[in-house]
Parts: sequence; C-alpha cells; structure tokens
Amino acid sequence: NAGVTQTPKFQVLKTGQSMTLQCAQDMNHNSMYWYRQDPGMGLRLIYYSASEGTTDKGEVPNGYNVSRLNKREFSLRLESAAPSQTSVYFCASSEAIRTPYGYTFGSGTRLTVV
Amino acid sequence: GESVGLHLPTLSVQEGDNSIINCAYSNSASDYFIWYKQESGKGPQFIIDIRSNMDKRQGQRVTVLLNKTVKHLSLQIAATQPGDSAVYFCAENSGTYKYIFGTGTRLKVLA
Repeated sequence: NAGVTQTPKFQVLKTGQSMTLQCAQDMNHNSMYWYRQDPGMGLRLIYYSASEGTTDKGEVPNGYNVSRLNKREFSLRLESAAPSQTSVYFCASSEAIRTPYGYTFGSGTRLTVV
Repeated sequence: GESVGLHLPTLSVQEGDNSIINCAYSNSASDYFIWYKQESGKGPQFIIDIRSNMDKRQGQRVTVLLNKTVKHLSLQIAATQPGDSAVYFCAENSGTYKYIFGTGTRLKVLA
C-alpha cells in the first residue's frame, strides 16, 4: 500500500545513546515532517522539509537533527537521547507545505529513553 | 499509542447514535481546518477539512461545522459504528507551514 513507512516501530534507549528514526514515502510528495506526540498535548512539529534539499526547524527542534536524504526519505536523529525525548514520533508527508487533505502520517515510532 | 490518550476527554455513545465532537481553535487568522482520526497504535488519518469561507461541509457520515465568531469547530458522525472508536482531533492552519493540533477527544462506541 502506498503511504509513509517508519522504522523502527518500537525502541528503548539508554540516556546518552544515539539513534536514527527512518521515514520513507512513496507518494512522490515534496514536503515531509517529523512530529512528536505526548500525553495531553497536540502533535508538535520538530523539523520539516518543504522540498528536497531543504530542512527547517519546527516548534521543538532542540536535541534533534534531520536529513532529507532524497525526495522519498527523511530521517530524524537523536544524538544523545534524554528521558524528555520519550514520546511517540510520527513522520508525515504532503504534496506541498499547505495542501488539501492535510498530511499522510506514518504509523509512528514509540521511543522510550531510560 | 495507548499512552497518548491518558489525559483525553472521553465521549461515550451508543452504537447507532450520532456523535458530536467539539474543538475550540486558538488563532482567529486560521482559515483552514482538518479533522483527524487516530486509532490505537496508528498514525492520524484525514477525515474531512473545511475552509473559513464555509460554515458546513459534509462527507460520508461526517459533517464539520465551523463557527468563526466563537472559534469553534465540531465534527458530527452519523450512526456511529464500533469502527469509529478512536481519538479525534482538529488541526488549524493560517497559511503557513505550521498546523496547530488539538489534544483530541476519545470516542468510545458502546454496543
């Protein structure tokens, strides 16, 4: 099925460890996003890529880095994980920054930092 | 996904009844709104959208109402089914890259 694929689905890290969350879309979308979802809060934008070759900070970028590897792939890296980064992470894509039908979301990565 | 819903308000409705889920948005300049459905362990899924030049928009079994005067959005689901059980949240946009997402309401459908 066409859509957004995230890996891994679950991950447990120790404080200070690093990891990269992978995201790929096969809809030929130009824009891609990384969000985090925490209890009692709406989705918050970490980083986004309006088009291949560009990346920009969102609301909560501290502690994260991103790479838009090509049009299909957008990865999120935690260089030194902290317990405050325990969350559910969603990757999303859209045809353009602001487009009808909103975003297509992946199924999420559930990250626990201990 | 279960931990995301710990603090959410819950609406319980009987199967077959109509459901109304409300959302208060924050930015009076927002001109585009979306309702999403999120099932346990899954990512949000687009349901219906509405632009600020409209008061009402209908889809299949769903209707969105927009009241710009009081910055209020509602989602009506007709003849609620067990498969409608999920968390529903709204998102608003004011013409930039940034969407503001609500925290959501959990809908429980009782058999």
